[in-house]
Amino acid sequence: DADVTQTPRNRITKTGKRIMLECSQTKGHDRMYWYRQDPGLGLRLIYYSFDVKDINKGEISDGYSVSRQAQAKFSLSLESAIPNQTALYFCAAGGGRQFFGPGTRLTVL
Amino acid sequence: ILNVEQSPQSLHVQEGDSTNFTCSFPSSNFYALHWYRWETAKSPEALFVMTLNGDEKKKGRISATLNTKEGYSYLYIKGSQPEDSATYLCAFCNYKLSFGAGTTVTVRA
Repeated sequence: DADVTQTPRNRITKTGKRIMLECSQTKGHDRMYWYRQDPGLGLRLIYYSFDVKDINKGEISDGYSVSRQAQAKFSLSLESAIPNQTALYFCAAGGGRQFFGPGTRLTVL
Repeated sequence: ILNVEQSPQSLHVQEGDSTNFTCSFPSSNFYALHWYRWETAKSPEALFVMTLNGDEKKKGRISATLNTKEGYSYLYIKGSQPEDSATYLCAFCNYKLSFGAGTTVTVRA
């Protein structure tokens, strides 16, 4: 079983829609992260959480929000999706080395 | 936002040849330097976590060195094979990871 899972794996949505990406991990890591990947830009940190009560903004948090529902779950929301949020989104967990989920490819039309 | 740079952005290498590429990062407030390997359609996977100046890590034909005083790390691939084709990401760690844009390696048979 994968340590970190993400749902959905692919999503196409329209401008203005609210969308939630979900992430779960099975290894009991306190720390979880959300990144987006755009061609030529590497991975950029959106939000991170060091435990259930700790949420922090990353480099590019505008337009996003997160919820740490439990130690194992960390969801990312786009309240009103816009086309420049089209990207590959990765969730990761881990204190030192990070373990990445399979990614969610999001397209906003 | 920390400036983590990788060069070159991409490279092609003939099967059997060796290659290397660079990650540069801020030399102050250093905690750790991570290397990840990211194959197409898969998740990034941790290769090395390096913490001490002068560290050398090795995993099979892949090795890395670290110079924290001047702020760079090299990753080496010896005797490249087609399965080494991937994007190699480095990430500077203080309390979170700041990723470079990656070096994409293509090994030609």
